[in-house]
Amino acid sequence: AQKITQTQPGMFVQEKEAVTLDCTYDTSDPSYGLFWYKQPSSGEMIFLIYQGSYDQQNATEGRYSLNFQKARKSANLVISASQLGDSAMYFCASKALQGAQKLVFGQGTRLTINP
Amino acid sequence: NAGVMQNPRHLVRRRGQEARLRCSPMKGHSHVYWYRQLPEEGLKFMVYLQKENIIDESGMPKERFSAEFPKEGPSILRIQQVVRGDSAAYFCASSLSGTGILQPQHFGDGTRLSIL
Repeated sequence: AQKITQTQPGMFVQEKEAVTLDCTYDTSDPSYGLFWYKQPSSGEMIFLIYQGSYDQQNATEGRYSLNFQKARKSANLVISASQLGDSAMYFCASKALQGAQKLVFGQGTRLTINP
Repeated sequence: NAGVMQNPRHLVRRRGQEARLRCSPMKGHSHVYWYRQLPEEGLKFMVYLQKENIIDESGMPKERFSAEFPKEGPSILRIQQVVRGDSAAYFCASSLSGTGILQPQHFGDGTRLSIL
């Protein structure tokens, strides 16, 4: 079984600052992936970035990077140089590499970027 | 638009009616997943299908809910005799591959189901 914990219900950040959204996970699967999705107020789910448990380097995609610390079971999302358009709900999710292919989501963090 | 297409975007039904939600996966994707999101919560897995096969329905309620992904046409999530508790956003996602290869699932814009 997998479990995702996002301990920050809401975060407020000044525009242009970097922000870290926390995600810890618990899984018994030997290989797995961690994923981050953005859900703006319009409601769609936008894939941002992912990392495999076997990857040696942390994933990066533009202003997004995933700070993966396997020993701590954490997969935090870092957004550099935040923009007003980054205001949204952010969800961390996990998925096993083998077996069940469902994504298991956390409760989300609502990020607000202040001008 | 080569993304995951869901329709309708909004659906209103009265208690006891049937709701049909449609999903066309991204081009080339043969793996489809349905999730449900209640207000202020994360998404919860419902069912995973490949063409003509249900692979995992461990998240589907035992009654009134069914899903299919026929050889031709979109995947359908069907809810019979809807109740107020079925009000939620229903998301469809697709992926290029399933088990053994780690790839992201790409989501549609969702269907917001409201039960009067």
